[in-house]
Amino acid sequence: AQSVTQPDIHITVSEGASLELRCNYSYGATPYLFWYVQSPGQGLQLLLKYFSGDTLVQGIKGFEAEFKRSQSSFNLRKPSVHWSDAAEYFCAVGARAAGNKLTFGGGTRVLVKP
Amino acid sequence: DAEITQSPRHKITETGRQVTLACHQTWNHNNMFWYRQDLGHGLRLIHYSYGVQDTNKGEVSDGYSVSRSNTEDLPLTLESAASSQTSVYFCASSDQKGGPTDTQYFGPGTRLTVL
Repeated sequence: AQSVTQPDIHITVSEGASLELRCNYSYGATPYLFWYVQSPGQGLQLLLKYFSGDTLVQGIKGFEAEFKRSQSSFNLRKPSVHWSDAAEYFCAVGARAAGNKLTFGGGTRVLVKP
Repeated sequence: DAEITQSPRHKITETGRQVTLACHQTWNHNNMFWYRQDLGHGLRLIHYSYGVQDTNKGEVSDGYSVSRSNTEDLPLTLESAASSQTSVYFCASSDQKGGPTDTQYFGPGTRLTVL
């Protein structure tokens, strides 16, 4: 069975500083990996996804993520955080063998200090 | 514009009552999913459907049911609401192209409180 761990429940970062959110997954075959963002009171919006090819993936809002098979990780990064990036971020794993269903991590809540 | 909507957005009910949450999408997507979101658990899959008349159980399906009579709608029913079902419920849909690139699009959520 596939699983996802997001080790950090909360992260506080200053506006303009860099941000890295950790995601570790467990799956026997090649996973499909996703990062979603949830603003307060909203649904989830896809930031980026990885299926194959280049292990560095660019997404919306200036985010990127790097797939590292050897570490079973798919960490999300942003070089310079804006106040509007305050939200909850979810990593998810899917697989064709699992009918493309998604398994989500517990989420990381990001607070941005002025 | 195509979209996915949920109703109601907020619902308060009593233990033992039957509750139905609506989900409607206008993308003509084959796949539809229901999740619940609880603190510390992220989103957990309740039920899903790959097309009309198709329904499948997810990891937390006990106490819930769904039916798919058309492409656009997947209502979620709580047969006898319990306090443990107090949660935020999200519906999602994706286009079944048969490949891994299917992105799930999420509705705005329904906050359900069972007293």
